Amino acid sequence: AQKVTQAQTEISVVEKEDVTLDCVYETRDTTYYLFWYKQPPSGELVFLIRRNSFDEQNEISGRYSWNFQKSTSSFNFTITASQVVDSAVYFCALSGAKAVGGTSYGKLTFGQGTILTVHP
Amino acid sequence: GAVVSQHPSRVICKSGTSVKIECRSLDFQATTMFWYRQFPKQSLMLMATSNEGSKATYEQGVEKDKFLINHASLTLSTLTVTSAHPEDSSFYICSARDGTGGANLNSPLHFGNGTRLTVT
Repeated sequence: AQKVTQAQTEISVVEKEDVTLDCVYETRDTTYYLFWYKQPPSGELVFLIRRNSFDEQNEISGRYSWNFQKSTSSFNFTITASQVVDSAVYFCALSGAKAVGGTSYGKLTFGQGTILTVHP
Repeated sequence: GAVVSQHPSRVICKSGTSVKIECRSLDFQATTMFWYRQFPKQSLMLMATSNEGSKATYEQGVEKDKFLINHASLTLSTLTVTSAHPEDSSFYICSARDGTGGANLNSPLHFGNGTRLTVT
């Protein structure tokens, strides 16, 4: 069984602060994919990143960065110099790929989500 | 870019009626689609996997007779909530796996914008 844990239910910061959202996962698959999504109040899911289990390189995209640590089964997300527009619910998700042809790929197990509020 | 259109975005219906939600891939072949449900302030839970031309695979605890899924073409999957009741009120969101060129682990996943169902 797969499991994703986002221990931080809510985080509140003041604009320009850096903030890190934690994500810890469990899976028995040797090949798997990790995702982060942003869900603004309007409800749609905004894709932020996908990382496969063989690529442990950290990634930076503008103010966003991700730290993948396979040894601790963590995939943390940091927003640098946060802005009010970053306020949203952020979900970490996991997809396995163990079936032949990767047919199980795309079935996402989501974490509970972290509500981020950035105050001006 | 690839877009998944989900319709309607909001629907209010009376208890006992059925509601159909459409998930359409606009510029790619979606051999596999996924249906999720999200209760207020909660995470997304996978309901079922929809494969074009075959029966949907439901997750444990999801009533297949209540949530009818049809994936009759490579671009359209529908979810019908039959005999809806107030407890079915939720946010339903689909995702589509881009199967153009064959399903593989690099196939992008695209989410619809979701449908907010309210049953009175």
